[in-house]
Amino acid sequence: GIQVEQSPPDLILQEGANSTLRCNFSDSVNNLQWFHQNPWGQLINLFYIPSGTKQNGRLSATTVATERYSLLYISSSQTTDSGVYFCAVVPGQTGANNLFFGTGTRLTVIP
Amino acid sequence: SQTIHQWPATLVQPVGSPLSLECTVEGTSNPNLYWYRQAAGRGLQLLFYSVGIGQISSEVPQNLSASRPQDRQFILSSKKLLLSDSGFYLCAWSVSARRAFFGQGTRLTVV
Repeated sequence: GIQVEQSPPDLILQEGANSTLRCNFSDSVNNLQWFHQNPWGQLINLFYIPSGTKQNGRLSATTVATERYSLLYISSSQTTDSGVYFCAVVPGQTGANNLFFGTGTRLTVIP
Repeated sequence: SQTIHQWPATLVQPVGSPLSLECTVEGTSNPNLYWYRQAAGRGLQLLFYSVGIGQISSEVPQNLSASRPQDRQFILSSKKLLLSDSGFYLCAWSVSARRAFFGQGTRLTVV
């Protein structure tokens, strides 16, 4: 099956710093999403981004599907950004529905 | 607007007992529905997904089963729980396999 690897596995930042999280996938995908899981376990959908670039406030994401990776940028980090960031993909052709999650990046923002 | 309800929030069950977790979605029709399990400190493992009533796809063979008796209801069951079934169970929905949205999750401890 498809492999979805995220890096780094852990990241500690000072409040106000910027960061880049990476998601590599081993096969073609027709769907890629980024999620944030807060310390209480709630998963929040950040982006649906099978290709191209999107921005939402301090967060932006870029997916280069032909090279099988996606990047999540966090600027001016805040303590509320702490948690685990996951990318998730649907492999293969359009019409598939199985959404597989990556290994995650645990982000800790310290004041 | 769409909402997803998942209950109970926490559950402690003895080994060998049955399990039934329910997930319902409001405000949308014919959603894709998903069950995931997350072990402590780990990523999300896709267990089952469904694209319609009575249509269940299993990603991981185990002693769990899923059913979709109504369009917006997804049930995760087990006849006899094992210690290894402990974890955080999450239900999610999406439309046309685009952005997925998650419920609050159920923390299951098998003792």
